[in-house]
Amino acid sequence: EVQLVQSGAEVKKPGESLKISCKASGYSFSGYWIGWVRQMPGKGLEWMGIIFPADSNTRYSPSFQGQVTISADKSISTAYLQWSSLKASDTAMFYCARMGDWYFDYWGQGTLVTVSS
Amino acid sequence: QSALTQPPSASGSPGQSVTISCTGTSSDVGGYKYVSWYQQHPGKAPKVMIYEVSKRPSGVPDRFSGSKSGNTASLTVSGLQAEDEADYYCTSYAGSFVVFGGGTKLTVL
Repeated sequence: EVQLVQSGAEVKKPGESLKISCKASGYSFSGYWIGWVRQMPGKGLEWMGIIFPADSNTRYSPSFQGQVTISADKSISTAYLQWSSLKASDTAMFYCARMGDWYFDYWGQGTLVTVSS
Repeated sequence: QSALTQPPSASGSPGQSVTISCTGTSSDVGGYKYVSWYQQHPGKAPKVMIYEVSKRPSGVPDRFSGSKSGNTASLTVSGLQAEDEADYYCTSYAGSFVVFGGGTKLTVL
């Protein structure tokens, strides 16, 4: 059974750094793209980017390029999303999801990130 | 890049059919077969309902169908049921990345 289990909710201050995780199981982690989707409070879904764990090839949405970093550690079947300096506008729910042919077939439960002074 | 355009809301009575549109450009919806649709209930993670324009994943009822014409894709829900009330999002491949629609809130009257 494919499962994606995300790290817990985070409360951070503006300017702090953060790395959230998504641990995959039930399939060959290296063989599928895995990505991240943002959902700001009361808003729609936004595609952030994806990574291919076998070679760490990444693709970012132009809206998120340079704003976040997506990485993966294939030795522990875990993908990451990180920020170097959080802003209040980064407050959102973040979902990781496995990608099939340019669609997400399995999703994590979501990680709520709250950035507030 | 702009989000794909969806109507903010749609509604229908139980048993009726409703169609949600998703309009893009020739650089996304019109240019590729990689259009998908997601259902999201409040407080839950999204679930894929349609991929590659019209394919249904295992377990998705055949009441859900997808199509595309030019730069506009459509999701049709037939035989509406109360549990179909949710937010629906379309996505399209746009050349190395994917773009989402703004979402449509489907209400079952």
